[in-house]
Amino acid sequence: EAGVAQSPRYKIIEKRQSVAFWCNPISGHATLYWYQQILGQGPKLLIQFQNNGVVDDSQLPKDRFSAERLKGVDSTLKIQPAKLEDSAVYLCASSSGQGARNEQFFGPGTRLTVL
Amino acid sequence: GENVEQHPSTLSVQEGDSAVIKCTYSDSASNYFPWYKQELGKRPQLIIDIRSNVGEKKDQRIAVTLNKTAKHFSLHITETQPEDSAVYFCAASRFPSGSARQLTFGSGTQLTVLP
Repeated sequence: EAGVAQSPRYKIIEKRQSVAFWCNPISGHATLYWYQQILGQGPKLLIQFQNNGVVDDSQLPKDRFSAERLKGVDSTLKIQPAKLEDSAVYLCASSSGQGARNEQFFGPGTRLTVL
Repeated sequence: GENVEQHPSTLSVQEGDSAVIKCTYSDSASNYFPWYKQELGKRPQLIIDIRSNVGEKKDQRIAVTLNKTAKHFSLHITETQPEDSAVYFCAASRFPSGSARQLTFGSGTQLTVLP
């Protein structure tokens, strides 16, 4: 099966600019996650969608970050305005939301550098 | 919320030796503990997982042990090979009723297998 797709793979912007990332999950996966992975750290959950509804966005800095999942498939994550500390890899993951294992499959990530 | 601590942050072993990575978690309700391997510049990939009703699980050269009382779990890699060199992340999760899993990741261990 095709994996989780993300674009762009790399993005360099100036602070205070805006940026958007796109994710296409594995076909049929109801649950979609966005993670922020700062260099040298583990992935940190930003937001979780179930179909097109938000399950948890408690760790999303809502003053500058927003995310949507229209039609319950693709998702976009936006940062506006960006800060230096937003430099990180943004990982998208999806899962079927069912079964005992309910494995999360990760995309290749978008590496964001804020100058 | 859940907090996962992982040690050591870096680990170097000679090829053929064993490697052990340890994690502790804080939420006694966590019941699922996956381990992910992330090679440089690539996506995290699930390598093994264990559920709270099991004390140990093996898959070829990889094993995971879980001590629920002490709230810690460990990854054991035997007969290490150069291709085992990567960052390894542990994670802990509950499976809330009616919702898909959320993972809390440790900070990662950079394993280097020296030829």
